[in-house]
Amino acid sequence: KAGVTQTPRYLIKTRGQQVTLSCSPISGHRSVSWYQQTPGQGLQFLFEYFSETQRNKGNFPGRFSGRQFSNSRSEMNVSTLELGDSALYLCASSYTGPSSYNSPLHFGNGTRLTVT
Amino acid sequence: GQQLNQSPQSMFIQEGEDVSMNCTSSSIFNTWLWYKQDPGEGPVLLIALYKAGELTSNGRLTAQFGITRKDSFLNISASIPSDVGIYFCAGLFGGSQGNLIFGKGTKLSVKP
Repeated sequence: KAGVTQTPRYLIKTRGQQVTLSCSPISGHRSVSWYQQTPGQGLQFLFEYFSETQRNKGNFPGRFSGRQFSNSRSEMNVSTLELGDSALYLCASSYTGPSSYNSPLHFGNGTRLTVT
Repeated sequence: GQQLNQSPQSMFIQEGEDVSMNCTSSSIFNTWLWYKQDPGEGPVLLIALYKAGELTSNGRLTAQFGITRKDSFLNISASIPSDVGIYFCAGLFGGSQGNLIFGKGTKLSVKP
């Protein structure tokens, strides 16, 4: 069974640009979550999508947005990039969301975004 | 807000030694998860705990869900070089995905 696939693996952008990251969940998983990982802040929750609807959102500015398609694939967009947006962006999928029994998050290998 | 205190922050041990790390909080959690992250990769799920007092093993790894529901520990027995990495605990409270909180991680180094 294929794991969570994230593309691209690496991305370099300049301030002010926008970026779109892609995530394909494990087959059969309907919940997709996005996390930002930095050395200083650790893993911080961005948002979760389930059945094409944003079910929950973390404390990030509106420049961070996402969507989910009918095949459960998800994209995350960051507009007007800032230097502080440099981070590893991780996507994680689960059957129905980690609040359900036996439905823990499974992570992809992330997209390393560098903003210059 | 809710916070997870994970300790120790880092460990340097000799191959063959046992390792213990833990996470504590002032909040009650419904689920505890333990992950390991290798450089350049995403976290990999090691053990999931869903009930207070639950003790679960996965090979040389053993984790427990504290009976107060405010803590969890992970033990690694007879460490080997491939155990090197960062171990994260994650706790879920409430009924929504947004309430999954991660500890800051324990960086494990193993000397052969």
